[in-house]
Amino acid sequence: GQNIDQPTEMTATEGAIVQINCTYQTSGFNGLFWYQQHAGEAPTFLSYNVLDGLEEKGRFSSFLSRSKGYSYLLLKELQMKDSASYLCAVRVGSSASKIIFGSGTRLSIRP
Amino acid sequence: GAVVSQHPSRVICKSGTSVKIECRSLDFQATTMFWYRQFPKQSLMLMATSNEGSKATYEQGVEKDKFLINHASLTLSTLTVTSAHPEDSSFYICSARDITSGDKGGVAKNIQYFGAGTRLSVL
Repeated sequence: GQNIDQPTEMTATEGAIVQINCTYQTSGFNGLFWYQQHAGEAPTFLSYNVLDGLEEKGRFSSFLSRSKGYSYLLLKELQMKDSASYLCAVRVGSSASKIIFGSGTRLSIRP
Repeated sequence: GAVVSQHPSRVICKSGTSVKIECRSLDFQATTMFWYRQFPKQSLMLMATSNEGSKATYEQGVEKDKFLINHASLTLSTLTVTSAHPEDSSFYICSARDITSGDKGGVAKNIQYFGAGTRLSVL
């Protein structure tokens, strides 16, 4: 089966750093995505990892370890607008197109 | 990034009626589109994969006769919820795969871009 685990909720302080972890056990792996979703809106693409290591993009960084089935999303210099759900998603299957989403982590930023 | 348009954004209908939702890729061609369903405070559940010019591939437990998918062109897929009932009330989101979304270590990203979603309420 497919299983993607991430914490349900996290809270952090404005200006601080937060790390959201994701572990996965899936049949097949062709890349891992992180999406941000504000309440009532569609997800927006944040990052993509297919090789091991850290990818940095501005305030956001994403890390992948394929051998451990593990990824994290690192958010720096947190802003109030970063309050949202963060979805970890894994592309699986022989067609390399199907994406399975984790349950999402609701991040709340406090002043 | 690529733009995916989804219409309508919100629909309220009576039980027993059918509702059609459109998903368009505005600045790229999408041979594959995906339809998801999301309940409050839950993640996206893949309902089906829509393939241009061929039948959709439905996930286990999704009734193909109830959720009709048509992908008639490279930029348009439609989802029709037939004979809607209150339990079909949900947030439906489409996504389109941009196969030209850059290379990374020799592997295409194949990023999925999402529409804004359709909130369906069945009375």
